[in-house]
Amino acid sequence: DSGVTQTPKHLITATGQRVTLRCSPRSGDLSVYWYQQSLDQGLQFLIQYYNGEERAKGNILERFSAQQFPDLHSELNLSSLELGDSALYFCASSVLGQPDEKLFFGSGTQLSVL
Amino acid sequence: DAKTTQPPSMDCAEGRAANLPCNHSTISGNEYVYWYRQIHSQGPQYIIHGLKNNETNEMASLIITEDRKSSTLILPHATLRDTAVYYCIVRGADSWGKLQFGAGTQVVVTP
Repeated sequence: DSGVTQTPKHLITATGQRVTLRCSPRSGDLSVYWYQQSLDQGLQFLIQYYNGEERAKGNILERFSAQQFPDLHSELNLSSLELGDSALYFCASSVLGQPDEKLFFGSGTQLSVL
Repeated sequence: DAKTTQPPSMDCAEGRAANLPCNHSTISGNEYVYWYRQIHSQGPQYIIHGLKNNETNEMASLIITEDRKSSTLILPHATLRDTAVYYCIVRGADSWGKLQFGAGTQVVVTP
């Protein structure tokens, strides 16, 4: 158990809908990261937050947004969903978001868009 | 961040050492070498990382060549539970959390 909690574990929805994925980081970790893993793209970095502020941005679509709240949990919002958004979404956390720190990953949310 | 090259797959007998190579010929002086693994759709798991010196922890050893252009992850006594995709990642000081995962090496440990 990494200490990172993601909910829900599975999500099935239809095209055009909007969903919210939730992540609680390990106790004491200030930085949260979101990754997407699809069969054809592999693990892709989406976005990183540190103590509520956006720190780094990767290949995140404009239809996707995220935030980190004062209690340090984070949410990833996916809107106008398309079939291609079906993927595993992982959240990870680290203490300060520094390059020499380990990232601890949650068990992921499996999103299926039908 | 420097790109890495890993073999797509390798087999290992249970109880034997598994040596996983990684090439990172364009690595810069301030870039770390990280290894993670992913066991069948679970979240990636940190294994080990290093900058210049060889490193060892309870899971594995990391051997980095003197010119830092390649490294080897050693699992000393592979078990069936070590079957996973292993990712070698080079991460620089300006990359923050941006771990750039490649295709990795699919390691299959057989009885």
